[in-house]
Amino acid sequence: DADVTQTPRNRITKTGKRIMLECSQTKGHDRMYWYRQDPGLGLRLIYYSFDVKDINKGEISDGYSVSRQAQAKFSLSLESAIPNQTALYFCATSDFGGGASEQFFGPGTRLTVL
Amino acid sequence: GQNIDQPTEMTATEGAIVQINCTYQTSGFNGLFWYQQHAGEAPTFLSYNVLDGLEEKGRFSSFLSRSKGYSYLLLKELQMKDSASYLCAVSPGGYNKLIFGAGTRLAVHP
Repeated sequence: DADVTQTPRNRITKTGKRIMLECSQTKGHDRMYWYRQDPGLGLRLIYYSFDVKDINKGEISDGYSVSRQAQAKFSLSLESAIPNQTALYFCATSDFGGGASEQFFGPGTRLTVL
Repeated sequence: GQNIDQPTEMTATEGAIVQINCTYQTSGFNGLFWYQQHAGEAPTFLSYNVLDGLEEKGRFSSFLSRSKGYSYLLLKELQMKDSASYLCAVSPGGYNKLIFGAGTRLAVHP
């Protein structure tokens, strides 16, 4: 079984709709992240969380919100989707290693906003 | 500001050696990662450097010079399956946030 799972894997929606992307992990990691990936721009951090009570904005948080329901679950919401939010979204987790730690990525959610 | 630069595309021949460069300017430095990403798939970890020098792991090696803000990923004995994007990422310090470069798309030809 995959250690980091994302649902749905693909989603097509319309402008103005509310969308939730879900991430679950069985790695027991405290730290979780949401990224979006656009062609030519690489991965950009949307939000990150270091434990259930900790939520932090990344570099591109406008138009997004998150919820850390449990250590293993981290959801990303688009309150009112717009076409420029069409992208590939990745959830990632990492352990606390004192320094920098490897991040483990989920399989991604391909979101299309029409 | 924070900036990570790497070439957009590279091509190489099966069996050859290729070096993918990465330069960075960040507010701090707590380590540099290389990830491999096949099209439409998740990035997977390749290497981590926090001290200057070369880290070797099978066919892949990664080098770091902190004074120059420079790293490279060296891939030896290229195989067709090495065709992928290679992402350079820096942890600027604290909280394990990563800043990613745009990635280098490597095409390996027979």
